[in-house]
Amino acid sequence: QSALTQPRSVSGSPGQSVTISCTGTTSDVGGYDYVSWYQHHPGKAPKLMIYGVNKRPSGVPDRFSGSKSGNTASLTISGLQAEDEADYYCCSYAGGYKGVFGGGTKVTVL
Amino acid sequence: EVQLLESGGDLVQPGGSLRLSCAASGFSVSSNYMYWVRQAPGKGLEWVSVMYSGGGSTYYSDSVKGRFTISRDNSKNTLYLQMNSLRVDDTAVYYCARDLDSSTWVPLSYFDLWGRGTLVTVSS
Repeated sequence: QSALTQPRSVSGSPGQSVTISCTGTTSDVGGYDYVSWYQHHPGKAPKLMIYGVNKRPSGVPDRFSGSKSGNTASLTISGLQAEDEADYYCCSYAGGYKGVFGGGTKVTVL
Repeated sequence: EVQLLESGGDLVQPGGSLRLSCAASGFSVSSNYMYWVRQAPGKGLEWVSVMYSGGGSTYYSDSVKGRFTISRDNSKNTLYLQMNSLRVDDTAVYYCARDLDSSTWVPLSYFDLWGRGTLVTVSS
């Protein structure tokens, strides 16, 4: 499976909104509503932020939202805060009982 | 406390073998879809393998299929990854992870619990 495509980096000022895209194919993102997003601070365990395209686990702020259109999923962070600075990864079910990650996006809070 | 703790990472020569362990506490590995995910230095996360709850079917990424084997010991509540024929590009931090919902028809790769990872370095 080829990795899903994410922008290498996005940035925004505190309080602004940023959106991270995650582009796949009809064999993964476009074929299933099984997309998840992870926040990863270096040296720590990744954290589940979104699953099932747009569902938030308990404890994740509602500033984080997910969506999907065709072969592209998106994660939007509204009201950007300093602690949101991290790497973000999308992941999709890819058929054959397997998953595939995106290459990761570094979010910088200016 | 619900947690995962990986161990077993080491420096190994190309062609060598290594077994990673992931000890679970606060829940049963046999009742959940369990995974291994890795991150090579400076790279992104890579899906490696999954083991089903119950019957224990297993699946692997193309990059490790035939070389790696995922297994578990229910009595020790521990997940394993046996890695053979290691290559330089297997160098990575290896994480074990649990699925959010193990009642789904297939493992959906919703990783709600992660360990801190263990470093495997393959180098001569």
